[in-house]
Amino acid sequence: SQKIEQNSEALNIQEGKTATLTCNYTNYSPAYLQWYRQDPGRGPVFLLLIRENEKEKRKERLKVTFDTTLKQSLFHITASQPADSATYLCALGERTGNQFYFGTGTSLTVIP
Amino acid sequence: SAVISQKPSRDICQRGTSLTIQCQVDSQVTMMFWYRQQPGQSLTLIATANQGSEATYESGFVIDKFPISRPNLTFSTLTVSNMSPEDSSIYLCSGLRGYNEQFFGPGTRLTVL
Repeated sequence: SQKIEQNSEALNIQEGKTATLTCNYTNYSPAYLQWYRQDPGRGPVFLLLIRENEKEKRKERLKVTFDTTLKQSLFHITASQPADSATYLCALGERTGNQFYFGTGTSLTVIP
Repeated sequence: SAVISQKPSRDICQRGTSLTIQCQVDSQVTMMFWYRQQPGQSLTLIATANQGSEATYESGFVIDKFPISRPNLTFSTLTVSNMSPEDSSIYLCSGLRGYNEQFFGPGTRLTVL
């Protein structure tokens, strides 16, 4: 069956450290992978996209890697801040169609 | 970025009734989608709203239960029909700009008694 799994437990880290979130998938052939941030009571907000032929993408303090052999993406937030506390979702976009399929989400808390 | 609004923002409904949720995008988008998000869970895609034709539903979702309309490029509605408590959830619409940047509405929180 198809699955998109993220860190199974909530992640708590100290301010200033690097947060690393994982996204693993099975039985998908994504053309690209996206990361979103979701705050309580709000819709997800798009952060980054990485294509299947890209290994790494950066945007300010964010870095995403994509390993199609391991079927995994890693999402890093460097120099983390309490304002980064939120739930982070990965989403896959397959080669055919324009649908997106979301992972289970990881709750991140950055402790001051 | 596109701005997406939804109405209503929340509602409490009786079992057996129907609710129509409206989604308005402030600029043209190529695709519009409807998702459901159970409390504390991730997003599940319900369907792709197609302009001027029937929506494309994901496995487990059917038109009779979730009729969708999209009369133009910036507006769509989702109806949750014959509701039961299991339909209590947050319903989100989204618009796709280009082919890969997706913008979400704030969601409609539905409670069915």
